[in-house]
Amino acid sequence: QVQLVQSGAEVKKPGASVKVSCKASGYTLTGYYIHWVRQAPGQGFEWMGRINPDNGGTNYAQQFQGRVTMARDTSIRTAYMELSRLRSADTAVYYCAREGRYSFTDRVAHMFDSWGQGTLLTVST
Amino acid sequence: QSALTQPASVSGSPGQSITISCTGTSSDVGGDNYVSWYQQHPGKAPKLMIYDVNKRPSGVSHRFSGSKSANTASLTISGLQAEDEADYYCSSYTSSSILYVFGTGTQVTVL
Repeated sequence: QVQLVQSGAEVKKPGASVKVSCKASGYTLTGYYIHWVRQAPGQGFEWMGRINPDNGGTNYAQQFQGRVTMARDTSIRTAYMELSRLRSADTAVYYCAREGRYSFTDRVAHMFDSWGQGTLLTVST
Repeated sequence: QSALTQPASVSGSPGQSITISCTGTSSDVGGDNYVSWYQQHPGKAPKLMIYDVNKRPSGVSHRFSGSKSANTASLTISGLQAEDEADYYCSSYTSSSILYVFGTGTQVTVL
């Protein structure tokens, strides 16, 4: 079955960087976009961006431009999200999510059909 | 791109039906039929319940249904069960550089 397994919780100081991994199994990583979404404590979701694991192409939300980098290593079926210049407002659970495809046409279906378990990032002095 | 607007909470008794609204703009909810809904239990990852406004993924109960009118989408849960108690979030693909926007979330309580 499709599974996305993320790296463990992180504690960072303001100004530092963090890199979160997302390992895919049960499907071909290169066939589906991977998105990164975060959820601050007690809050809703915020879309950060996506990567096309096939060619490495990325789209980032404007508010994260210059601070976020998404990458992948297809040899180990893993996607990564690195966030730099961390501040306390970045404290959140970070999720990777797979963007689904329609069964018959294989076109991208604009929804997230599988999610990682989440990675808690705490930014604190 | 602002978050989509959902009621903070909705409640109902077992067996009843409830509806959660999700209001956006013509740039997101009203633009295309790419509205999806997610269920999130405390401390868990979200689960896809509805996509393309009204389609159910395999394995999701028929008690969950979706609809849309203009800039407002809705999720209806019929025959409410204790296991439906969770937070629900809508999401929409957008025509902006922020490709996806989420709703503010609705806490569903089964009385």
